[in-house]
Amino acid sequence: EPEVTQTPSHQVTQMGQEVILRCVPISNHLYFYWYRQILGQKVEFLVSFYNNEISEKSEIFDDQFSVERPDGSNFTLKIRSTKLEDSAMYFCASRQGSGNTGELFFGEGSRLTVL
Amino acid sequence: GESVGLHLPTLSVQEGDNSIINCAYSNSASDYFIWYKQESGKGPQFIIDIRSNMDKRQGQRVTVLLNKTVKHLSLQIAATQPGDSAVYFCAETYQGAQKLVFGQGTRLTINP
Repeated sequence: EPEVTQTPSHQVTQMGQEVILRCVPISNHLYFYWYRQILGQKVEFLVSFYNNEISEKSEIFDDQFSVERPDGSNFTLKIRSTKLEDSAMYFCASRQGSGNTGELFFGEGSRLTVL
Repeated sequence: GESVGLHLPTLSVQEGDNSIINCAYSNSASDYFIWYKQESGKGPQFIIDIRSNMDKRQGQRVTVLLNKTVKHLSLQIAATQPGDSAVYFCAETYQGAQKLVFGQGTRLTINP
């Protein structure tokens, strides 16, 4: 069964450092997303990406965040200067179809710990 | 503002019993709703979805009910099994939006 894969599974970093979280979406999917989940809280939307550009982003996704699809398979989330409050699970997701419906497949997540 | 919330943070049921997990939403423009299951240390897993032009949809052992009048969504799990133990989230979205808005989640615990 095809799946979304994420690396690393866990990253520990110092406050102020740059972090890149990597994702390989399902190969025939066209819509890509990042969500985050602070421990014990709900899953929150960060950004959606389609046709090599951001299609929607949340208030959380400020200038410290960026996304990139550097090649045909990877989808990355960069945090330029991490803050303590960036500590969370970051989930990549992808979807095949157009519109806002259709099953969204999530990866296992990357846990980011900022010290 | 838009929000999706849950009535109960935890639910314990006996193995074999039916479970009902509830969700309230506030955005009347939402027209597509999804239930996700999240096991410990894993990402959300799609369970079942429903569009706003329906009030009931059935899957394998799961049923989703939508009451648009009171903006209420529920997930029914029949004959609950130990593998059903997880946190269950409802999520909503609407035509033209890319994002899903998730509720707080309900932790379902199965007692043997």
